[in-house]
Amino acid sequence: EVQLVESGGGLVQPGGSLRLSCAASGFDFDIHWMTWVRQAPGKGLEWVANIKQDGTKRYYGDSVRGRFAMSRDNAKRSVYLQINSLRAEDTAVYYCVRDASGSYLDFWGQGVLVTVSS
Amino acid sequence: DIQMTQSPSSVSASVGDRVTITCRASQGISSWLAWYQQKPGKAPKLLIYAASSLQSGVPSRFSGSGSGTHFTLTITSLQPEDFATYYCQQVNSFPSTFGGGTKVEIK
Repeated sequence: EVQLVESGGGLVQPGGSLRLSCAASGFDFDIHWMTWVRQAPGKGLEWVANIKQDGTKRYYGDSVRGRFAMSRDNAKRSVYLQINSLRAEDTAVYYCVRDASGSYLDFWGQGVLVTVSS
Repeated sequence: DIQMTQSPSSVSASVGDRVTITCRASQGISSWLAWYQQKPGKAPKLLIYAASSLQSGVPSRFSGSGSGTHFTLTITSLQPEDFATYYCQQVNSFPSTFGGGTKVEIK
């Protein structure tokens, strides 16, 4: 069974940092690009970042580029999202997602909530 | 970045109705488009990829069409479990982008 389990969310003050983790199981992790998508409360989906199978390429959404950094450890079957200089508008549920062939997002984790507030 | 515009933002429909949702891209994306369904409190679910290919396990009442800049998602004979929010996504280029969503509500 494919599973993606996010962790590391919580309440953080503006300007703070957080590291989200996503543990994958049930599929060949190292042949898939992986993606983070977020959703602010009551809002739509926002594509955040993705990373190539070997970690050599990463892409970021405009609103997070320069503040967020995505990485992966294939030996641990995990991806990470380092989020820095947090702002209130970064408050959202962050989903870890598996990329199918063609970059379609075919399997989603349950999401982890990040709340930025003083 | 490519902008994705969905319409309508919401639609009221009855069980058995046919519903069509439109997604327009700010530039041509060939057929690099997906549709997702999201229910409250749940993660999105992939319905359609490559504009018109049905994801495994998705009922055949869902269909997608279009290419270039204009795409549609059609639900024939709406079922109670189909009341949800639907999003399009372009994967033609990174950063990928989503449409704003269309909420399908019960009339």
